[in-house]
Amino acid sequence: NAGVMQNPRHLVRRRGQEARLRCSPMKGHSHVYWYRQLPEEGLKFMVYLQKENIIDESGMPKERFSAEFPKEGPSILRIQQVVRGDSAAYFCASSPEQGNTEAFFGQGTRLTVV
Amino acid sequence: GENVEQHPSTLSVQEGDSAVIKCTYSDSASNYFPWYKQELGKGPQLIIDIRSNVGEKKDQRIAVTLNKTAKHFSLHITETQPEDSAVYFCAGTGRRALTFGSGTRLQVQP
Repeated sequence: NAGVMQNPRHLVRRRGQEARLRCSPMKGHSHVYWYRQLPEEGLKFMVYLQKENIIDESGMPKERFSAEFPKEGPSILRIQQVVRGDSAAYFCASSPEQGNTEAFFGQGTRLTVV
Repeated sequence: GENVEQHPSTLSVQEGDSAVIKCTYSDSASNYFPWYKQELGKGPQLIIDIRSNVGEKKDQRIAVTLNKTAKHFSLHITETQPEDSAVYFCAGTGRRALTFGSGTRLQVQP
């Protein structure tokens, strides 16, 4: 039973390029959450999705960032026109239900913008 | 929304001693409180959790206590070992996603 899979583990992009981060939830999990972690800091909520629906995007920057969780395939976090301040670790978590239930994290994607 | 505060930010103990990390939360609707351990370069790992209908839960050397009236919960690690060294995060949730505390860096000195 594979855990939450994120890829790539490391991603380097030049300023102005696009970054695409993928997350495959655990088998049987239909709820996906994306978090951002800056070095030596905590986990900041970005967006919560169910299949084909964005439930809560209150933590997403208004511009350049978008997320989707299609009916088939992984969840995608997309960052357009990356800037140096986007450099961070991006973690995905999944859970079988909404709210008060166990959420399991992937190993993260470390994005470096040069 | 939920606001979770965590203390201390760093904690150093001698091997074999106990470690206690404390968190407070703001949303009285929160009813699930997990704790995560994050090692360097890895994702957070769920180590124990507690729900609002329980005051204490224990799993080997790790225990969590919850005081709903005071809105605080704590992680207790007994007989600490060097491999317990990591960053620990508490979290709270109401209806939606987890809100995390700022983390505690635990260093266990051999």
